[in-house]
Amino acid sequence: AQRVTQPEKLLSVFKGAPVELKCNYSYSGSPELFWYVQYSRQRLQLLLRHISRESIKGFTADLNKGETSFHLKKPFAQEEDSAMYYCALNNAGNMLTFGGGTRLMVKP
Amino acid sequence: DAGVIQSPRHEVTEMGQEVTLRCKPISGHNSLFWYRQTMMRGLELLIYFNNNVPIDDSGMPEDRFSAKMPNASFSTLKIQPSEPRDSAVYFCASSFGGRFGNTEAFFGQGTRLTVV
Repeated sequence: AQRVTQPEKLLSVFKGAPVELKCNYSYSGSPELFWYVQYSRQRLQLLLRHISRESIKGFTADLNKGETSFHLKKPFAQEEDSAMYYCALNNAGNMLTFGGGTRLMVKP
Repeated sequence: DAGVIQSPRHEVTEMGQEVTLRCKPISGHNSLFWYRQTMMRGLELLIYFNNNVPIDDSGMPEDRFSAKMPNASFSTLKIQPSEPRDSAVYFCASSFGGRFGNTEAFFGQGTRLTVV
């Protein structure tokens, strides 16, 4: 069975501080990992995916298969980053499972 | 394409009543998901369809919940009878399960269900 764990329900930081949103997964196969974001009053949307190795809005995430982690990082948080962040795993059968989510609050 | 369309946006119903949530996925997508979002449990996968066939419904809470996908452009999630603990935001999402590593899910606006 596949499982995604986000240990922090809430993360509060000051503007300009580094941010790390933790995500751990369990899956026996080769996973496809994503981070989705939900801004206030907006739809849940894709932020980034591990296979693209991209940086979106200053965020990056590296897949660590040894630690089964896919933590989301940003060196300097901005107030507009405040949102709900979900880590997600897609299995070979295209079934998408999400973690419990972490609410990021960036204080001025 | 207008994206994934869900209706209604808000639903308030009395305990014991039947509730039907509707979803129109993006045209051409072959995977459809129903999720339930709550503060306590985050985003839970209820059921997953591929090519209109239910593949995994292990997340459906109990027999009061049922979902159908009669064709590629429509799906319903029904709760009968509804209970206050079913109050949540229900999301529908669709994707095209193509080449592995290129599957982005697109979400609807959600239906906020309140059972009183």
